[in-house]
Amino acid sequence: EVQLVESGGGLVQPGGSLRLSCAASGFTVSTYYMSWVRQAPGKGLQWLSLTYTGGNTYYVDSVKGRFTVSRDLSKNTLYLQMHSLRVEDTAVYYCVTIRGWHFDNWGQGTLVTVSS
Amino acid sequence: QSALTQPPSASGSPGQSVTISCTGTSSDIGGYNYVSWYQQHPGKAPKLMIYEVSQRPSGVPDRFSGSKSGNTASLTVSGLQADDEADYYCSSYAGSNNCVFGTGTKVTVL
Repeated sequence: EVQLVESGGGLVQPGGSLRLSCAASGFTVSTYYMSWVRQAPGKGLQWLSLTYTGGNTYYVDSVKGRFTVSRDLSKNTLYLQMHSLRVEDTAVYYCVTIRGWHFDNWGQGTLVTVSS
Repeated sequence: QSALTQPPSASGSPGQSVTISCTGTSSDIGGYNYVSWYQQHPGKAPKLMIYEVSQRPSGVPDRFSGSKSGNTASLTVSGLQADDEADYYCSSYAGSNNCVFGTGTKVTVL
């Protein structure tokens, strides 16, 4: 069974950094396309990134240059490194697998709060 | 990378049908048959309901159906049940390694 468990969320000040983790089980992260999707409180879903099986990653314009996705294949884990955080980055962040351009397996999400 | 447009709300009585629209452009919905729909209950992660415009994943009731015409996709929920009350989001591949979600629709079962 495919399972995704996010962690690393918390309270951070504006301008700060945070790294989120997504531990995968039931499959190997290098064999699936993966994405990060976020949802601000009371708002809709926003796609953030797409990581291909080879590791190439593409980002939505609003996070380019601030967010970086990486993988540790030995830990079967996907990471989202976030820098220069803004109040508007406050959201629940989901790790998701992609197949055929649809998001089929979602983690439970981890809450990031950017506030002074 | 503008969000796809959905109506903020939709409603229907138990047993009735409700249809939700999702409007994009020729660069996303109109350009690809990669429209998907997600159901989200409060405090929960989204759940895939429809993929590739009209395909249902295993376990999703056939009361849920999808279609597309031009730049607009639609999700129809037939035989509304209390548990169908949730937020629904569409999504589309938008080319050049981009994906986009809709603005979301809150479905209320009256």
